Amino acid sequence: DIVMTQSPDSLAVSLGERATINCKSSQSVLYSSNNKNYLAWYQQKPGQPPKLLIYWASTRESGVPDRFSGSGSGTDFTLTISSLQAEDVAVYYCQQYLFIPLTFGGGTKVDIK
Amino acid sequence: QVQLVESGGGVVQPGGSLRLSCAASGFTFSSYGMHWVRQAPGKGLEWVTFIRYDGAIQFYADSVKGRFTISRDSSRNTVYLQMNSLRAEDTAMYYCAKVGYHDPSGHPYYSDYWGQGTLVTVSS
Repeated sequence: DIVMTQSPDSLAVSLGERATINCKSSQSVLYSSNNKNYLAWYQQKPGQPPKLLIYWASTRESGVPDRFSGSGSGTDFTLTISSLQAEDVAVYYCQQYLFIPLTFGGGTKVDIK
Repeated sequence: QVQLVESGGGVVQPGGSLRLSCAASGFTFSSYGMHWVRQAPGKGLEWVTFIRYDGAIQFYADSVKGRFTISRDSSRNTVYLQMNSLRAEDTAMYYCAKVGYHDPSGHPYYSDYWGQGTLVTVSS
């Protein structure tokens, strides 16, 4: 199975500051046939289901604020929140969907400093 | 708007069975694959199973293979998860989720909509 490793486990950032979450896959999730990275990011707030933020590693889902951005390729990926807002407090998960079983990272908890 | 509503969760003894349902609306159900994803209390997300848009292909996590069965009924816009031989480690919130990308090949892509979940507790 593909192991997705997120870092850090948690971080606290001041309002308006940048938050950066890393995700590393044990194998490349770049599919050579279409040159797409099969990597998604989700946000989960307490008591709620996950919400899709980013897919294909860098495509923002409709309605997601542009302060959220995804980058990276192959095995190393990053989710960046450019200016943290109070409503961004949540746990963030990366997921690879190239290989079966689909696998998630362990999650990164983001709080306000 | 897309809605996914799970039902069927509850408390069951080890070795017992349960069938979860997920009623879908707001999109062309017969055009999209569906996932079940679970989350144990206080833990992360675990993918469980996927079914192709037409029901012809299913994939399972090793942890549930041979015990769980996913199916769908396009006449009812509903996807099901039959869970047999339940274990304590199956205790979790179970979410159904719509695949965000239509591909006739049946590849399980990311999920763009999730239900609110239904809680399954396996305990004696």
